[in-house]
Amino acid sequence: EADIYQTPRYLVIGTGKKITLECSQTMGHDKMYWYQQDPGMELHLIHYSYGVNSTEKGDLSSESTVSRIRTEHFPLTLESARPSHTSQYLCASSEFGQGKNTEAFFGQGTRLTVV
Amino acid sequence: AQKVTQAQTEISVVEKEDVTLDCVYETRDTTYYLFWYKQPPSGELVFLIRRNSFDEQNEISGRYSWNFQKSTSSFNFTITASQVVDSAVYFCALSEATGGFKTIFGAGTRLFVKA
Repeated sequence: EADIYQTPRYLVIGTGKKITLECSQTMGHDKMYWYQQDPGMELHLIHYSYGVNSTEKGDLSSESTVSRIRTEHFPLTLESARPSHTSQYLCASSEFGQGKNTEAFFGQGTRLTVV
Repeated sequence: AQKVTQAQTEISVVEKEDVTLDCVYETRDTTYYLFWYKQPPSGELVFLIRRNSFDEQNEISGRYSWNFQKSTSSFNFTITASQVVDSAVYFCALSEATGGFKTIFGAGTRLFVKA
């Protein structure tokens, strides 16, 4: 069973607000990811990290930012939320290294609605 | 560049029918991993299987089986004797060495199993 947690599960927020979506994992995984997904639709990689102090942009451009100060924590921040940011955000982690490229384990997701 | 194509957007079957979900991938790497995930209506992503590029053996797990063919760049997933609980969106994913082993997903296939 994967130990990766996202909070909050659901968030409704007004336009212009700053928000931070939390993601933590207890598996000691080096790699972490953020995906954006409209319900039942394709997952788009928006950010990933190979380890502490490493962050990379994914294939889908996003106005969000991420940080990786601790191995277990990979928060995503939107400085000024807009209705176009309404979506589900999924955090994941996996091992990384020689012969260790395992599957990604996913959190339960945060459903964000910006009104 | 890595790419995953799931040409079947939706499939509808009657319970106990067999169903195959197609996955075609593109990569220039010789070292890569392929995955299948299930996303039930509750929204979480459940890992089903991982295959690395050096292991073309097919695999069977209960009612699930996977056919990996490098010659056609395909990694198809078959559910035998489908059940209503199999109704979900199924994603095929690829992780390649050149891309830093970031995981890219296909668009998904929504499977409806009717009683």
